[in-house]
Amino acid sequence: DAGITQSPRHKVTETGTPVTLRCHQTENHRYMYWYRQDPGHGLRLIHYSYGVKDTDKGEVSDGYSVSRSKTEDFLLTLESATSSQTSVYFCAIKGWQTQETQYFGPGTRLLVL
Amino acid sequence: AQSVSQHNHHVILSEAASLELGCNYSYGGTVNLFWYVQYPGQHLQLLLKYFSGDPLVKGIKGFEAEFIKSKFSFNLRKPSVQWSDTAEYFCAVSSGGYNKLIFGAGTRLAVHP
Repeated sequence: DAGITQSPRHKVTETGTPVTLRCHQTENHRYMYWYRQDPGHGLRLIHYSYGVKDTDKGEVSDGYSVSRSKTEDFLLTLESATSSQTSVYFCAIKGWQTQETQYFGPGTRLLVL
Repeated sequence: AQSVSQHNHHVILSEAASLELGCNYSYGGTVNLFWYVQYPGQHLQLLLKYFSGDPLVKGIKGFEAEFIKSKFSFNLRKPSVQWSDTAEYFCAVSSGGYNKLIFGAGTRLAVHP
């Protein structure tokens, strides 16, 4: 599965608590992405990274921050979780060439009560 | 802003029926086009992709798609579906150096034996 793992795979948390999701890759790929999947919306890009310490916002970045201190790890943080952030979160990776495919991790199911 | 429209949200077919799922995008420049599939409880897997060249692309499991530039369309087809094709199908578009994906809302396909 393209060497991507996500942790945790499931999480239940309460409104107002911080949450960090981890994406780990073993492929040394340059690009990493965080998406959220919600019914009727498909997947929407939250943040992405194009190298260590190089990140940028996506379509739905409000309430989220990211960090990438190593090539293999891309962290997504919900500073203060809200019920609207209940979703399934997918990480994706892509190699160094322009015409390459994004490969997706197994997902993290997050429930914010 | 780019957008992707998938015309059918739910499709129900009997085994051996033919399938065509519509996908239209709004972007006038050079695009990369993808179809991903998500089987129940699983992550997204790439079905097929178009970067350039022959507009008729063949993917895994007997799927194919045709890029029609004049219609901004990338419809997915399969001549004879199987029960195992029951899944959600996502059309996606990317452009630019960071290859950020814009997804359609998805089409849920149910194939009855």
